[in-house]
Amino acid sequence: DGGITQSPKYLFRKEGQNVTLSCEQNLNHDAMYWYRQDPGQGLRLIYYSQIVNDFQKGDIAEGYSVSREKKESFPLTVTSAQKNPTAFYLCATRLGTGYNEQFFGPGTRLTVL
Amino acid sequence: QQQVKQSPQSLIVQKGGISIINCAYENTAFDYFPWYQQFPGKGPALLIAIRPDVSEKKEGRFTISFNKSAKQFSLHIMDSQPGDSATYFCAASRRAGTASKLTFGTGTRLQVTL
Repeated sequence: DGGITQSPKYLFRKEGQNVTLSCEQNLNHDAMYWYRQDPGQGLRLIYYSQIVNDFQKGDIAEGYSVSREKKESFPLTVTSAQKNPTAFYLCATRLGTGYNEQFFGPGTRLTVL
Repeated sequence: QQQVKQSPQSLIVQKGGISIINCAYENTAFDYFPWYQQFPGKGPALLIAIRPDVSEKKEGRFTISFNKSAKQFSLHIMDSQPGDSATYFCAASRRAGTASKLTFGTGTRLQVTL
């Protein structure tokens, strides 16, 4: 069954704790992206990776970190330095060079208590 | 120069009517313009996309109109149905040889009433 999986669907965290959100894909896509969605603000790019072992900051990278050790996986860590971490986090993939289409996973809703 | 402005913020349309959502962009380097549909609690789904070399693209009840000189594009949903009730996002990115980072509009919440 091909697609993008994000886990967990809901995540609760206490202030001051780091938390890692999972994104896995079996589409064999080269590029992967993390977006944050807040009510009324659309989607904002956190980090992206075009190939394994390489990633770049997006528009709102402060307080986040990523790794891309495998083509299939692009985990996002929300650190305690992120001032406003409660949001809906979306992972997306793109086939690669020459293709624009981005496809989204189901999302993880993170709530900081 | 990276903004994409979307309007209206919300829209109520009767069943069978036409829903129209508009977007405007500033960066002339953008050359790929997708629309996404998102249901509550779900990830956005790619609905339809257009490139600047055409002025219109139609897929079923969904049509994108594109005006390159005005730097505007719009989504038309013909014969709107209650199942179309969702939030719609326009977006834009540069050509596929780059990182193809999408810049999103702020979304339009569409409600189709019976």
